[in-house]
This record gives sequence, structure tokens and C-alpha cells, in this order.
Amino acid sequence: GAVVSQHPSWVICKSGTSVKIECRSLDFQATTMFWYRQFPKQSLMLMATSNEGSKATYEQGVEKDKFLINHASLTLSTLTVTSAHPEDSSFYICSASVAGQRTEAFFGQGTRLTVV
Amino acid sequence: KQEVTQIPAALSVPEGENLVLNCSFTDSAIYNLQWFRQDPGKGLTSLLLIQSSQREQTSGRLNASLDKSSGRSTLYIAASQPGDSATYLCAVPGGKTSYDKVIFGPGTSLSVIP
Repeated sequence: GAVVSQHPSWVICKSGTSVKIECRSLDFQATTMFWYRQFPKQSLMLMATSNEGSKATYEQGVEKDKFLINHASLTLSTLTVTSAHPEDSSFYICSASVAGQRTEAFFGQGTRLTVV
Repeated sequence: KQEVTQIPAALSVPEGENLVLNCSFTDSAIYNLQWFRQDPGKGLTSLLLIQSSQREQTSGRLNASLDKSSGRSTLYIAASQPGDSATYLCAVPGGKTSYDKVIFGPGTSLSVIP
């Protein structure tokens, strides 16, 4: 199966700093990448959809200025949590897919973000 | 709007029991359905993917069935083991393509007691 690599797997940062999370498709070119968030004891919820070379589409309630998404190449998307606060502490996971060639989306390993 | 539910929310069984996890979805026009496993604090492990044209998929002690018309899927785990303890999520594509965003169910937390 296709491999999606997410880095880092966990990160602890101070309140007010920014954190960047990378999502890479290792053996295929991903035209679309998705970012999900999971709060404790809750299910995964879609945050945004990013298409290579265009602006991301954010789900309702997700602040686009706080969660910056860049999908500059067909193998890399990044999520930057700007001015992080403790309430941003969560599990973030990405998935990648390519139109017409895959019948499913493939998921990264996830990133556990803790803001102190 | 597609919604996915799972029953039960939590399940505790003694080792060796066979068990069934249930998943329901409101829009039957799905391309596929996927079952995942998530260990505490960890990412997702894909267990089984059922295409819309299929009725079931099997992998080892796991068997997943799909009934699109009724909007249901079940994950059957045979001879459960303590190592099966985890949260099990079902998910379907939320858009018009098989590779679209995924809508997850809330999960079933399984505990297998030695």
C-alpha cells in the first residue's frame, strides 16, 4: 500500500509559539491532502482540504489564520499551528490521495501536540 | 450530509470470545467503507477496506461485512485476544469520490480481559 509519512510524531511547545507539522506521500504523488484533528475521547474531525498549488479549504469553525496549510508540491503538505495555546493540544493526522489512481485515502502516523 | 455512528461505544469481553462491532451510515451512496484500529495515543491502522461492490472482506480473525442498502457494516472479531484492545473506527468517503475526505464514526472502545 501507499505510504504517508508524518513528522514529528509528537511535539511539546510553549504557549504563543508556532509549530509546523509535515505530511509526505513517499511513493505516490498526492493531488489532495486532508488534515484531521482529534480531541481526547472524541473521533477524528476534518479540519481542511488542501490541493496542490491552491489555497486550502477549511471546515466550518476552523480558523484559517491560525492553522496555516501549505501544499506546495505533490508530495508535501504542511500544517502550521500559529500562536499555539493549550486548547490547541490535540492529535493531528493527515491523509493523502490522488485522483483516479487510488480508491482510498492513506493516513500518516499522526502528531500529538501538547501546548504548555 | 453523511453521518456515521457506531454501536456500542465501549465493549469489555473476556479473552477468547467472538464479538461484533456495528457501524451505520446515513447515505448509502458510498464508494467504500474502511475499518481502522487506533491504539491509545497512536495513529490509525487500516484493518479492512470494503468496496461498494463487495459484501465482505476477511483478514485473519477479522471479517467485515457491508450492506449498503441498509446503511450498515459489521466488524466480526473471532477468538478475541488482549492485544485486540483498542478503539475501532469505521469510516466512509464524505464526498463524491472514493478518495475524498473521510467521515469517521465515533469509535468503539474494546477491552479484552485476559
